[in-house]
Amino acid sequence: AQTVTQSQPEMSVQEAETVTLSCTYDTSESDYYLFWYKQPPSRQMILVIRQEAYKQQNATENRFSVNFQKAAKSFSLKISDSQLGDAAMYFCAYRSAYTPLVFGKGTRLSVIA
Amino acid sequence: EPEVTQTPSHQVTQMGQEVILRCVPISNHLYFYWYRQILGQKVEFLVSFYNNEISEKSEIFDDQFSVERPDGSNFTLKIRSTKLEDSAMYFCASSGDGGKPNEQFFGPGTRLTVL
Repeated sequence: AQTVTQSQPEMSVQEAETVTLSCTYDTSESDYYLFWYKQPPSRQMILVIRQEAYKQQNATENRFSVNFQKAAKSFSLKISDSQLGDAAMYFCAYRSAYTPLVFGKGTRLSVIA
Repeated sequence: EPEVTQTPSHQVTQMGQEVILRCVPISNHLYFYWYRQILGQKVEFLVSFYNNEISEKSEIFDDQFSVERPDGSNFTLKIRSTKLEDSAMYFCASSGDGGKPNEQFFGPGTRLTVL
């Protein structure tokens, strides 16, 4: 079964600085998708960024980018120029084709003004 | 921008009662999902639904749970006889609009409190 591991239960970053959240996963499949979701205090799940495993280029979305290392099964999220509104729980998630999402336990990010 | 909606936002019920959580997926989506998040824990898959039938379910989704798409727009999760441990945030999601078939769009969730 696929598993997703987030080894950092909590992280903090100074406003305007850069922070990297770690995620590793385990799968025997070659075609899959990886996601980072943000969950603010409202508890809504908001998609931050996605990466297709067949793409070598790392995905970027404005201040958010990933470091996807397929051989190492690593998928970290980098947040640049951190803002107070970035404070939230961040969940790494995996899925293949039309299978359901498998989530990690999450990393709580605090942003210090 | 189209979005997944869920009602109610918060449901309080007594143990043993039946509850129905409602979702309206994005209109041209084909795949529908329910997930659960117990407070402080990770999001867990419950069930997926495609072509008017369950395509996959987890071990959490036992006989107390059922899903239905009664009218072509709504997607419901019914818990037949709620238990204290059913207290959680329930998220509906949908996917499959042809553009990004593997991206699931989540609704805002329904917070279920079982007393």
